[in-house]
Amino acid sequence: GAGVSQSPSNKVTEKGKDVELRCDPISGHTALYWYRQSLGQGLEFLIYFQGNSAPDKSGLPSDRFSAERTGGSVSTLTIQRTQQEDSAVYLCASSLAGTSAYNEQFFGPGTRLTVL
Amino acid sequence: GDSVTQMEGPVTLSEEAFLTINCTYTATGYPSLFWYVQYPGEGLQLLLKATKADDKGSNKGFEATYRKETTSFHLEKGSVQVSDSAVYFCALPYSGNTPLVFGKGTRLSVIA
Repeated sequence: GAGVSQSPSNKVTEKGKDVELRCDPISGHTALYWYRQSLGQGLEFLIYFQGNSAPDKSGLPSDRFSAERTGGSVSTLTIQRTQQEDSAVYLCASSLAGTSAYNEQFFGPGTRLTVL
Repeated sequence: GDSVTQMEGPVTLSEEAFLTINCTYTATGYPSLFWYVQYPGEGLQLLLKATKADDKGSNKGFEATYRKETTSFHLEKGSVQVSDSAVYFCALPYSGNTPLVFGKGTRLSVIA
């Protein structure tokens, strides 16, 4: 079946603009994660959705970052008033459930964001 | 909180050489441990995992043993190939939750 998909694959924007990044998880996966991969910082957890529970936002770096997940499926990560330090690859992952440490996370190809 | 310390690269090896990438962790309890791999131009994918102490995860000729006495999960391969060139990440879940904490990643280049 289809894996996790993300769009766009690349996004170039100007400082101060808002951007929206989309993630389509694997069908049936109830847990969805957003991570950021940047030079010097490695991979950082941003936000985590599990079913209908309130999302775990503990990894979001500032209030300019937000995410929603509609209908328990597609998720959108929004970055408002982008800054150059937001330039990174944003990765989405999904898994069958988020209540066990044994559930493999499947990653999408990422969206490369460049803020000029 | 939980953390992972991973050997930083880059690592360059000749084909058929022995590979070790060190990974140590700090965690409460005994979490599952993972190695993920990112091939050029591709997304992250799970390479292997171990769910309890003394377990050995293995896949594609790679192995890693969960050592609770040394809090380590070193990745090894006896004979690397050019196709193993990639970035390797050691990871574990946050305490009691499944978002992953990753090491910084180790870039491996294998030359023919």
